Amino acid sequence: DGGITQSPKYLFRKEGQNVTLSCEQNLNHDAMYWYRQDPGQGLRLIYYSQIVNDFQKGDIAEGYSVSREKKESFPLTVTSAQKNPTAFYLCASSWGGGTAQHFGDGTRLSIL
Amino acid sequence: KQEVTQIPAALSVPEGENLVLNCSFTDSAIYNLQWFRQDPGKGLTSLLLIQSSQREQTSGRLNASLDKSSGRSTLYIAASQPGDSATYLCAVRPDTGNQFYFGTGTSLTVIP
Repeated sequence: DGGITQSPKYLFRKEGQNVTLSCEQNLNHDAMYWYRQDPGQGLRLIYYSQIVNDFQKGDIAEGYSVSREKKESFPLTVTSAQKNPTAFYLCASSWGGGTAQHFGDGTRLSIL
Repeated sequence: KQEVTQIPAALSVPEGENLVLNCSFTDSAIYNLQWFRQDPGKGLTSLLLIQSSQREQTSGRLNASLDKSSGRSTLYIAASQPGDSATYLCAVRPDTGNQFYFGTGTSLTVIP
């Protein structure tokens, strides 16, 4: 089955710790995206990547980092610089060029 | 910057009723608009994508319309069922750039 896999489903972060959220897709999509979802707010874009080895900051990139070494993988690192990391994180992919986005099931990150 | 609004935030209807969900956006220079469904604790499921040159798209009991000049889209759900209960989000991609801008969603409850 083609789709987007995010792991883990739940993640806990200690103070001063970096954590990495995984996103893998087997849809052969060129573009991949990371969003953050908070209660009562719409999804906000953290980073996106149109092709391998290239990515751009979204509206709320501070305290986050990404890499795109393979077409199918787009991991997100939440660094200790992100002071309010508790949220639901969603990864998406598309063919690019404004085509439909497809989403994974999300990772819920909480602070210990 | 594009602002996307969905009103009402919550809607409750009896089973079998036809209903309309609203999405409005501030900048009419859009490339396309996508409607999604989100179940609690899950990712987004794509429902319909309307290109800026289109007026409407249909899939089963769902019909989405787009009026670019007035900055509005509607999602019409015919003969609602309890399984339609979810949060419905719309997202707009502007003419320029690669971002999608999301509304905060309408939470729909269909009462048996």
